[in-house]
Amino acid sequence: GAVVSQHPSWVICKSGTSVKIECRSLDFQATTMFWYRQFPKQSLMLMATSNEGSKATYEQGVEKDKFLINHASLTLSTLTVTSAHPEDSSFYICSASGRTMNTEAFFGQGTRLTVV
Amino acid sequence: QKEVEQDPGPLSVPEGAIVSLNCTYSNSAFQYFMWYRQYSRKGPELLMYTYSSGNKEDGRFTAQVDKSSKYISLFIRDSQPSDSATYLCAMTNSGTYKYIFGTGTRLKVLA
Repeated sequence: GAVVSQHPSWVICKSGTSVKIECRSLDFQATTMFWYRQFPKQSLMLMATSNEGSKATYEQGVEKDKFLINHASLTLSTLTVTSAHPEDSSFYICSASGRTMNTEAFFGQGTRLTVV
Repeated sequence: QKEVEQDPGPLSVPEGAIVSLNCTYSNSAFQYFMWYRQYSRKGPELLMYTYSSGNKEDGRFTAQVDKSSKYISLFIRDSQPSDSATYLCAMTNSGTYKYIFGTGTRLKVLA
């Protein structure tokens, strides 16, 4: 399968600071990238969908000013958690899909964010 | 009612057993069905990808889709301790990448 790399794999930050998470497609052009959030023992909840070169589409209840998503190239999307609070602590996972992949999407390894 | 229902488990089986994991769904528009395996603190890994109804086999894994019953299954034959993980079903409409996930079933294969 295609490879999606996510960085960092874990990060600890202080409350009030911002954290950027990168998601890269290594061997294909990702026309669409998705950002999910997963709390312990719960399923993945889609936060937003981004298409290269356009603004992200956020799911209901997700604050677009807090979770900034940029998809400036066909191989890179970033999620920035602004003014992080302890309740933002979670496992964030990206996935990516390309033009020739039908509806298949491949996931990064996830980023565990802990806000202290 | 959730769009996708999946028993969270945990499901414990002895090594070598046949494992059956299932999901039910309510949206008849779903056309693509996936099974992912997720180890603790890792991202999901695609195991099986099925379009519409029918069976698909890959090694020890078999995926079944019954659209008439809105029911999908993943069978694991000759289960191994390394199969211990959370298994997530996911599905989507034709032409969209927006997946709807089940809650995941935690599987433990005991040596």
